[in-house]
Amino acid sequence: AQRVTQPEKLLSVFKGAPVELKCNYSYSGSPELFWYVQYSRQRLQLLLRHISRESIKGFTADLNKGETSFHLKKPFAQEEDSAMYYCALRGSGYSTLTFGKGTMLLVSP
Amino acid sequence: NAGVMQNPRHLVRRRGQEARLRCSPMKGHSHVYWYRQLPEEGLKFMVYLQKENIIDESGMPKERFSAEFPKEGPSILRIQQVVRGDSAAYFCASSRDRNNEQFFGPGTRLTVL
Repeated sequence: AQRVTQPEKLLSVFKGAPVELKCNYSYSGSPELFWYVQYSRQRLQLLLRHISRESIKGFTADLNKGETSFHLKKPFAQEEDSAMYYCALRGSGYSTLTFGKGTMLLVSP
Repeated sequence: NAGVMQNPRHLVRRRGQEARLRCSPMKGHSHVYWYRQLPEEGLKFMVYLQKENIIDESGMPKERFSAEFPKEGPSILRIQQVVRGDSAAYFCASSRDRNNEQFFGPGTRLTVL
């Protein structure tokens, strides 16, 4: 069975502070990991995927197979980063996504 | 490209009625996925369809729920004899093929009275 755990429901930081949103997964094979973001009144959209190894809006995430984690990081949070963030997993050979419960990030001025 | 369209955005039904949720995928996308989000939960996969075929329905409740994606027209998620526990947000996503990025619609919020 595949499972994604996001331990924090809410993460509140001040503008300019570093941010780390945690994501741990459980999967026996080689998964593909994603971070999705939902800004207020907008639809869910892909932020980044581990295979692309890119930085989007200053966010990065590294897949750590030893710790089965895919934490999302940003060195300096901005107010416009406030949103709901979902970690998701796609198993090898599958097309469907397994989502975590999400973490609400609030960045205060 | 207008993106994935879902309608209605909000749907209110009384217990025992039927709910029909529609999803129009992005242009050029033939793969459609339905997810359900209960309050305080993440999105949970329900069913995956590719034009006229159900590829994976492992997340769909065995009774009362059905889905289709006809050759012409939107994908339909149908819930018969709704119960209060069906109240949730239902999201549709589409992709160009099975390994490509899934683009999500705005969701349909179903409330069962």
